[in-house]
Amino acid sequence: QKEVEQDPGPLSVPEGAIVSLNCTYSNSAFQYFMWYRQYSRKGPELLMYTYSSGNKEDGRFTAQVDKSSKYISLFIRDSQPSDSATYLCAATGGGNKLTFGTGTQLKVEL
Amino acid sequence: KAGVTQTPRYLIKTRGQQVTLSCSPISGHRSVSWYQQTPGQGLQFLFEYFSETQRNKGNFPGRFSGRQFSNSRSEMNVSTLELGDSALYLCASSLRDSQSGTDTQYFGPGTRLTVL
Repeated sequence: QKEVEQDPGPLSVPEGAIVSLNCTYSNSAFQYFMWYRQYSRKGPELLMYTYSSGNKEDGRFTAQVDKSSKYISLFIRDSQPSDSATYLCAATGGGNKLTFGTGTQLKVEL
Repeated sequence: KAGVTQTPRYLIKTRGQQVTLSCSPISGHRSVSWYQQTPGQGLQFLFEYFSETQRNKGNFPGRFSGRQFSNSRSEMNVSTLELGDSALYLCASSLRDSQSGTDTQYFGPGTRLTVL
């Protein structure tokens, strides 16, 4: 079993929809949680990171971590076609060794 | 500020050969991490170098190795290539975030390695 599980999708939504992306993890030592966005033929780009449980908001993006259920979420409001990409969740107990989910492919359609 | 650069961007090799990939981190970053990305396994951590020393290592065979130079540039080497080594190899450089206890990692575009 992978330490971070993520539904690969693909997920297709209409423009303007609220998108919910989710991951679960099994390692209780994980304290830091990230969301990366990866466009085709590009490297991952950091969108959000949170420490421990709680919410963090940045523009149209909200990241949530629930350590009691080992659940990580990313919400995208007013989704745009430019949001079409693969979204990767990642976690670490500290330091630079990140454990990634396999990524969810998102397509936002006009 | 220039981002993380990786060379070459694409590489084709045959089984049994060896390959060296290069990564130049963001100026001022001293930590470089390497990841392998495949469709089946996703992104998997290979190793991290900080100030020319390997700081962390993932679960990959000894055929995968790396090093870091005094200017923080890093190389990774894969010897005796296998078909399963075909992947996107990503390099990330880090600037420690002292308040949160973890580093923000900035990824390069990757090197696409195809093993025939």
